[in-house]
Amino acid sequence: KQEVTQIPAALSVPEGENLVLNCSFTDSAIYNLQWFRQDPGKGLTSLLLIQSSQREQTSGRLNASLDKSSGRSTLYIAASQPGDSATYLCAVMGSGGSNYKLTFGKGTLLTVNP
Amino acid sequence: NAGVTQTPKFQVLKTGQSMTLQCAQDMNHEYMSWYRQDPGMGLRLIHYSVGAGITDQGEVPNGYNVSRSTTEDFPLRLLSAAPSQTSVYFCASRRTVAETQYFGPGTRLLVL
Repeated sequence: KQEVTQIPAALSVPEGENLVLNCSFTDSAIYNLQWFRQDPGKGLTSLLLIQSSQREQTSGRLNASLDKSSGRSTLYIAASQPGDSATYLCAVMGSGGSNYKLTFGKGTLLTVNP
Repeated sequence: NAGVTQTPKFQVLKTGQSMTLQCAQDMNHEYMSWYRQDPGMGLRLIHYSVGAGITDQGEVPNGYNVSRSTTEDFPLRLLSAAPSQTSVYFCASRRTVAETQYFGPGTRLLVL
């Protein structure tokens, strides 16, 4: 059974700092990996999607990397802003018979202080 | 596009009552899913569908039923609500397995 772990569970940084959020998964047979953002009381917003054949994806100040063989992904946020404060979730989609299902980590709660 | 919509936004039920959570998408997505989100447990898959007329169970299906008669709609039915079903429910959809999954705004359910 796939398990997804996100470290740290919470992170507080001053505005302007560059930061890295970590995601690890136990089964490397994945189809893709997706990073989401969730604001309090809201749904999930997709940030980046990395296919299993890709090593990284970039969108603005966000960069996500994937090392499938080691079961790791990182989300890099450059020049953090207070508006980046949210919970960040990592989710992996299994390949083969389970390839319709996303398995989520429990998230990292990010606070960016002005 | 309205994206993925869910109704109601909030609902209070008494134990034993039944209700249907509605989910609709206007993006012509084949794949739709229902998740519940609980503190400390993360998001867990309840049921999913890979197209009209095709549904399957996820990780926590007990106490819930689904059907998919159209591409657009994927309702979730609670047959006899229990306090353990107090949660936030999210519906999601995507066009293909390889593409981004989009989430609705959620339904907060409280079972007394």
